[in-house]
Amino acid sequence: GQSLEQPSEVTAVEGAIVQINCTYQTSGFYGLSWYQQHDGGAPTFLSYNALDGLEETGRFSSFLSRSDSYGYLLLQELQMKDSASYFCAVHGGYQKVTFGTGTKLQVIP
Amino acid sequence: DAGVTQSPTHLIKTRGQQVTLRCSPISGHKSVSWYQQVLGQGPQFIFQYYEKEERGRGNFPDRFSARQFPNYSSELNVNALLLGDSALYLCASSLEGPFFDQPQHFGDGTRLSIL
Repeated sequence: GQSLEQPSEVTAVEGAIVQINCTYQTSGFYGLSWYQQHDGGAPTFLSYNALDGLEETGRFSSFLSRSDSYGYLLLQELQMKDSASYFCAVHGGYQKVTFGTGTKLQVIP
Repeated sequence: DAGVTQSPTHLIKTRGQQVTLRCSPISGHKSVSWYQQVLGQGPQFIFQYYEKEERGRGNFPDRFSARQFPNYSSELNVNALLLGDSALYLCASSLEGPFFDQPQHFGDGTRLSIL
């Protein structure tokens, strides 16, 4: 089976940097994705890591260590609009995508 | 370009009824996946269809079924509805299968309420 762990809530100050961690256990691994979801909205794709290392897209970066079954999402220069839930998702065997339970990020002034 | 469109946006059913949810992927996308999202949880994978064939199935009972049409649109059917089926049902499309380096693009979902 597949399971993911991420913190349930994180609070950070506007303009700061925040890191959201994700650890996973999976039978078969192709990659790790990150999605953002605002309340009442649909998940929006942020990044995908298939290989170890850091992927950078603007203010967002994502890191993967396959040997440690660990990844993180790094958000820089936080803005109020970044307040949302963030999900990591494992692309595993049998063409399944398993989402974590989500981290609710609150950005405060 | 239009994004992923789902219909209806909201639906109310009673226990034991059947429901059909519809999804139109982004033009050119061949893969459609269905997810169930209960409030406060992450999306749970139900099905993935690619080139009109089922390519993946999550841990859902046989009451859940789906199909993909030649134009790559898709339907999700749920029979014998239970109270626990109340959730947001999300459809996502991607160019190829979800585990290639292709992001999934989600629709706004269908909010299903079972009374």
